[in-house]
Amino acid sequence: DGGITQSPKYLFRKEGQNVTLSCEQNLNHDAMYWYRQDPGQGLRLIYYSQIVNDFQKGDIAEGYSVSREKKESFPLTVTSAQKNPTAFYLCASSSPGTLNTEAFFGQGTRLTVV
Amino acid sequence: GIQVEQSPPDLILQEGANSTLRCNFSDSVNNLQWFHQNPWGQLINLFYIPSGTKQNGRLSATTVATERYSLLYISSSQTTDSGVYFCAARGYSSASKIIFGSGTRLSIRP
Repeated sequence: DGGITQSPKYLFRKEGQNVTLSCEQNLNHDAMYWYRQDPGQGLRLIYYSQIVNDFQKGDIAEGYSVSREKKESFPLTVTSAQKNPTAFYLCASSSPGTLNTEAFFGQGTRLTVV
Repeated sequence: GIQVEQSPPDLILQEGANSTLRCNFSDSVNNLQWFHQNPWGQLINLFYIPSGTKQNGRLSATTVATERYSLLYISSSQTTDSGVYFCAARGYSSASKIIFGSGTRLSIRP
């Protein structure tokens, strides 16, 4: 059953803690993306990776970090430097070339700071 | 980078009506997608349509790449069509990001 799996579905963080959101895909896609969505708003790009061991900052990368050690995995760490981390986080993957670059999304992780 | 704009931001219709959602983009694209976000937040792929026309049941989409816009048509709207519709685009550069529009919130009244 191919797709993108995000975990956990819900995550609670105390102020000052780092937390890591998991994103795994078995679609054999080279490109992976992390987006943030605030209530009633659109999706904003945090980080993206076109290939293993390489990633680029998106529009709102401050306070976040990523790694891409395996093609299948693109974890996102929300650090204590992120001042307002409560949001819905979505991970996506796609083929990065010029033919059929359709992106697919996981079900998301809702992060709440308590 | 590429800019993506959607209109209208909000649309309220009676059940059975037809609707047209628009997406304008600022540069040539090799990826243009339409998504429906369900009440649980999941993004459902509707169409992958960098150019041309596609239809799936009551939904259809057209992208005119040379004029940099895409349209999503919903015919005979049902209450289950309610939700937020996003378009997303990616430019031709291999390092390009996938950028989302701000969405159209569609409300279908019974």
